[in-house]
Amino acid sequence: NAGVTQTPKFQVLKTGQSMTLQCAQDMNHEYMSWYRQDPGMGLRLIHYSVGAGITDQGEVPNGYNVSRSTTEDFPLRLLSAAPSQTSVYFCASSHTGGATYEQYFGPGTRLTVT
Amino acid sequence: GQSLEQPSEVTAVEGAIVQINCTYQTSGFYGLSWYQQHDGGAPTFLSYNALDGLEETGRFSSFLSRSDSYGYLLLQELQMKDSASYFCAVRDRGIKAAGNKLTFGGGTRVLVKP
Repeated sequence: NAGVTQTPKFQVLKTGQSMTLQCAQDMNHEYMSWYRQDPGMGLRLIHYSVGAGITDQGEVPNGYNVSRSTTEDFPLRLLSAAPSQTSVYFCASSHTGGATYEQYFGPGTRLTVT
Repeated sequence: GQSLEQPSEVTAVEGAIVQINCTYQTSGFYGLSWYQQHDGGAPTFLSYNALDGLEETGRFSSFLSRSDSYGYLLLQELQMKDSASYFCAVRDRGIKAAGNKLTFGGGTRVLVKP
């Protein structure tokens, strides 16, 4: 199992550009989510999904779009990049049930917007 | 909404015991999780408490008091490799009561000295 994979690992964008961060998991998890982590801070939830076709906003959704057409994939789209979106982005997945609700995180995408 | 408070930094020597407290205010609560993150890495799951009491996993233990909206992570027999950031996170179910939506605290940086 590859677990949770994210691409790219690093990205530099200019203000106003758009891009899609990719996330995939091979554990058949129903729940997937996107977080951003600014330096020295905790993780803030951007968007999440509880299954194909079902998504909802998290704490900081503005400037980001998501869709979930398959169980495996959950891409995050930046519509018009801004310097305030410079951050590390983590994708995570888990089962919606279970004893511990453990979330598995991908390695992260380090995004810089100039 | 949710808010969580935890100390920003703790320093201890190898072999010592460290307790990281977490207090929370939530609009919905289903459990408290703890995650570890080494510098440059992704968060990894440590423990989950849904009910009051102590959960022990090797050198790490986690405690929850739902009536006090309080939990802690206890790190025993500290080792150099335990130098990392530790995050508490409150779980609620999100949309369709089917999710595993986490709100993270700001993190506690633990520095272990020889």
